[in-house]
Amino acid sequence: GAVVSQHPSRVICKSGTSVKIECRSLDFQATTMFWYRQFPKQSLMLMATSNEGSKATYEQGVEKDKFLINHASLTLSTLTVTSAHPEDSSFYICSASAFPLAARTDTQYFGPGTRLTVL
Amino acid sequence: DQQVKQNSPSLSVQEGRISILNCDYTNSMFDYFLWYKKYPAEGPTFLISISSIKDKNEDGRFTVFLNKSAKHLSLHIVPSQPGDSAVYFCAASAREGGGADGLTFGKGTHLIIQP
Repeated sequence: GAVVSQHPSRVICKSGTSVKIECRSLDFQATTMFWYRQFPKQSLMLMATSNEGSKATYEQGVEKDKFLINHASLTLSTLTVTSAHPEDSSFYICSASAFPLAARTDTQYFGPGTRLTVL
Repeated sequence: DQQVKQNSPSLSVQEGRISILNCDYTNSMFDYFLWYKKYPAEGPTFLISISSIKDKNEDGRFTVFLNKSAKHLSLHIVPSQPGDSAVYFCAASAREGGGADGLTFGKGTHLIIQP
């Protein structure tokens, strides 16, 4: 099956610093990757859609200058939380569209997530 | 504005019985629906999906039913097993313009399988 990894799994940082999270598709090429965040006991909220070789598309209300996304290759997308603040503390999850493994490009396979805690 | 709704935050089912998880949606543009299973501090795991051109899809113990007119879908798990205890998310996408789209998730239902 399609495997997506994320690194790091957990990170604690000081307020004002930047944190980079990597998302990799290990056994398939992902033309599209997605970034979600999840607050405790809440749903997963789509933050942005990342297409290889082009600029990410951000959802309404998500600051693109704060959450920098780079999809440099068909197997790697990175999310950088710049000048992190305590309210950015959350669980960040990436997913990859496993075309053509999936019957339809919308079936996404998720990474294990990254727990970010900003002190 | 919650476009995908899972109105039951939790559901308790006895082992061996059928688990039925429900999901409602409001956006008539949604044409593809998925169910994911999630354990704490892990990413969601894809379970099963259904296209709007179908009303049923089955995969082993999992069956998803779609009622387009009611904008309702349900996931049936039978027989329920202890390892099924997890949070189940319903998700939907509207394939506007083709290509992969981000998913809209419900808030999840915590399924507890009791021995």
